[in-house]
Amino acid sequence: DAKTTQPPSMDCAEGRAANLPCNHSTISGNEYVYWYRQIHSQGPQYIIHGLKNNETNEMASLIITEDRKSSTLILPHATLRDTAVYYCIVRDRTASKLTFGTGTRLQVTL
Amino acid sequence: DAGITQSPRYKITETGRQVTLMCHQTWSHSYMFWYRQDLGHGLRLIYYSAAADITDKGEVPDGYVVSRSKTENFPLTLESATRSQTSVYFCASSELSGSSYNSPLHFGNGTRLTVT
Repeated sequence: DAKTTQPPSMDCAEGRAANLPCNHSTISGNEYVYWYRQIHSQGPQYIIHGLKNNETNEMASLIITEDRKSSTLILPHATLRDTAVYYCIVRDRTASKLTFGTGTRLQVTL
Repeated sequence: DAGITQSPRYKITETGRQVTLMCHQTWSHSYMFWYRQDLGHGLRLIYYSAAADITDKGEVPDGYVVSRSKTENFPLTLESATRSQTSVYFCASSELSGSSYNSPLHFGNGTRLTVT
């Protein structure tokens, strides 16, 4: 699976949009971009995934660049409960496993 | 409530003891996974299973044994626990089929294991 690069930490004010970047410059055509988050002491929680089109669900939006070498997870109105570690994962469409990196620690503040 | 449950939530055991961590899912997902999470190493895959009676090693399988006699259960056994196996263990499941694995993994809330 392609490797990903994320900033180790970010801050966001409550109510503002949180934009979490991910670089995956070696991604191949068969690989999806997945986003998970892990709130302290809990299991990782699935957020969203996509192949090449932008995706949106009730939790977040995923913007993938046209060359697919990077993506951004957008939490439109961050709350304190969104404070967590966010993992960007690239996964081959024929692979069952997920390989986690170190993620971005997002701190939402008042 | 449907989902994936792990038990126990917390476990303390002594070096050399056998301990089994339980994982149960109610979705009838075909795939199940065991990860461990340690400071400085993140989440690492121990074992996974594609279906009942089919298991395969992950990144860090040494010292662990798994079985999957029923689709809904995937227990993880430490046959002789060591201090280095002190960790938080997460079980996950996913419905994967055909040639596309475009389906997310869903995780339990973990078992915090301490080996003294």
